[in-house]
Amino acid sequence: QKEVEQDPGPLSVPEGAIVSLNCTYSNSAFQYFMWYRQYSRKGPELLMYTYSSGNKEDGRFTAQVDKSSKYISLFIRDSQPSDSATYLCAMRYVSGGSYIPTFGRGTSLIVHP
Amino acid sequence: DTAVSQTPKYLVTQMGNDKSIKCEQNLGHDTMYWYKQDSKKFLKIMFSYNNKELIINETVPNRFSPKSPDKAHLNLHINSLELGDSAVYFCASSPSAGNQPQHFGDGTRLSIL
Repeated sequence: QKEVEQDPGPLSVPEGAIVSLNCTYSNSAFQYFMWYRQYSRKGPELLMYTYSSGNKEDGRFTAQVDKSSKYISLFIRDSQPSDSATYLCAMRYVSGGSYIPTFGRGTSLIVHP
Repeated sequence: DTAVSQTPKYLVTQMGNDKSIKCEQNLGHDTMYWYKQDSKKFLKIMFSYNNKELIINETVPNRFSPKSPDKAHLNLHINSLELGDSAVYFCASSPSAGNQPQHFGDGTRLSIL
């Protein structure tokens, strides 16, 4: 079993829908949680970053972390065709003073007009 | 201005050859990384350098050798290329080795014939 599980999709939604993207993890040492967006043939770009359990909001994006359930989510409100991309969750734990990142495989999102 | 730039963008070569990928960042960051993204889109960290010092070295064949001539550059040399090395290699940088967001380049697509 992979340390970070993420459904690859694709997830297809109409414009304006609320999108929910999720990851589960097994390593309780993960302390820091991130969501990246990756457009085709581009590098990942950081969308959201959080440490504690609870919600964090930034514009149309809300990141949610539930450490007790080892579950994180990203919600996108009023989705736009420009949101069509692959969304990767990522987590870090500390080992020997270094922050070791582990990524999910990404969920492909398609927002159609 | 490109923050993290990689060259070449595409690399097609024969099995058994030796090749290098270069990465440069103009963000003034202290820490740089190499990641490998395989065909299933899993993004895995390979190496990290902080101020030219190796701080993360994941389980990577010793055919892969990173070199950091200065803080702004991190190159990746690969000896005796194998079919399984075909992937997209991403370079990234962050302000420090602490828990900082990472900025990614757009990747080098390596194909082994």
